[in-house]
Amino acid sequence: EIVLTQSPATLSLSPGERVTLSCRASQSISSYLAWLQQKPGQAPRLLIYDASNRATGIPARFSGSGSGTDFTLTISSLEPEDLAVYYCQQRSTWPLTFGGGTKVEIK
Amino acid sequence: EVQLVESGGGLVQPGGSLRLSCAASGFIFSSYGMNWVRQAPGKGLEWVSHITGRDSNIYYADSVKGRFTISRDNARNSLYLQMNSLRVEDTAVYYCARDWAYWGQGTLVTVSS
Repeated sequence: EIVLTQSPATLSLSPGERVTLSCRASQSISSYLAWLQQKPGQAPRLLIYDASNRATGIPARFSGSGSGTDFTLTISSLEPEDLAVYYCQQRSTWPLTFGGGTKVEIK
Repeated sequence: EVQLVESGGGLVQPGGSLRLSCAASGFIFSSYGMNWVRQAPGKGLEWVSHITGRDSNIYYADSVKGRFTISRDNARNSLYLQMNSLRVEDTAVYYCARDWAYWGQGTLVTVSS
């Protein structure tokens, strides 16, 4: 099973700051990584697929990068509505797995 | 518009069974693989099972293998999850999802005596 390790577990930043979230895979997953956002009380929402492709309707401040084992989700300028937990997910190998999540808090 | 609507959740005793359904609309259901994902209270997301579109290849998480059965009825545009031998640790909101881009609202399964 591929283990996805996300860091940090929690992040507290002010609006307008740049946010960098990390996801590390226990073995190479090529670019088969997605990032999802889950706001309190809501179902997850797809932000990025295949490591760097923004999903439909996702604002340009969200970007993804990386390949192999190291991946990054960047929010270029944090907005108050970005309060959420962010998960990475791999589709390279069965079983599919999610990272443990990074909670982004707004100062 | 793509819609996924789960149903069938509820309270069940340990060792019991439950069948979840996911009604799909707004797309050609038979052309897409479908997933069940769960989230225990206050915890992260856990992938449960996947079934491919037309040929119905099936995959499970180790935590549910042998106890849960995923299936689909392409004529009814519906996805199912038969859950047997339920455990307290199966308590979660269960989501159906397509492509990770489309999710239902979830249905709560509580396993408790």
